Amino acid sequence: NAGVTQTPKFQVLKTGQSMTLQCAQDMNHEYMSWYRQDPGMGLRLIHYSVGAGITDQGEVPNGYNVSRSTTEDFPLRLLSAAPSQTSVYFCASRAGTYTDTQYFGPGTRLTVL
Amino acid sequence: SQQGEEDPQALSIQEGENATMNCSYKTSINNLQWYRQNSGRGLVHLILIRSNEREKHSGRLRVTLDTSKKSSSLLITASRAADTASYFCATDRTNDMRFGAGTRLTVKP
Repeated sequence: NAGVTQTPKFQVLKTGQSMTLQCAQDMNHEYMSWYRQDPGMGLRLIHYSVGAGITDQGEVPNGYNVSRSTTEDFPLRLLSAAPSQTSVYFCASRAGTYTDTQYFGPGTRLTVL
Repeated sequence: SQQGEEDPQALSIQEGENATMNCSYKTSINNLQWYRQNSGRGLVHLILIRSNEREKHSGRLRVTLDTSKKSSSLLITASRAADTASYFCATDRTNDMRFGAGTRLTVKP
């Protein structure tokens, strides 16, 4: 199994541009989530999904959209990039309930100029 | 807002010593998890302790949970240089997982 994969690894955007961060998992996990990690802040939950067709907001959802059309994929869209969105983004998945281990992808380092 | 708060923010020890990191949180939880992050990498799950458990062991790791004090501790025994990393606690309430800012552990050879 490849686990959780993310693309791209690095991205530079200009303010106002839009883009999609890709996340895929091959473990047939129902639960997937997106986090951002800023220096000294730990990880903050952006959006999550408990299954195909079901998404919900986390702690810091503004400026981001998600959709879950398949079990495997959970893309994160930045609608109009802002410098405040410069961060490292992590995708994660787990089998189902909150008692399950969560697996993280390697991250995408995004810089918005 | 962050749920978990780790203490200390940074810890430096010699190889072979034990390392203890603490985590405090604010609201009720279903479980608490500890993760490790090597520099520039993703997070790796270390151990999960349920709200009705008080202590859990995994290899050189020992985690305790005191729900009355809303706190947890992670003990790494006989530390190695390879244990150098940042350690995060995360509290889980249904589908909303909150992370602390982490403890940066440096183990000197």
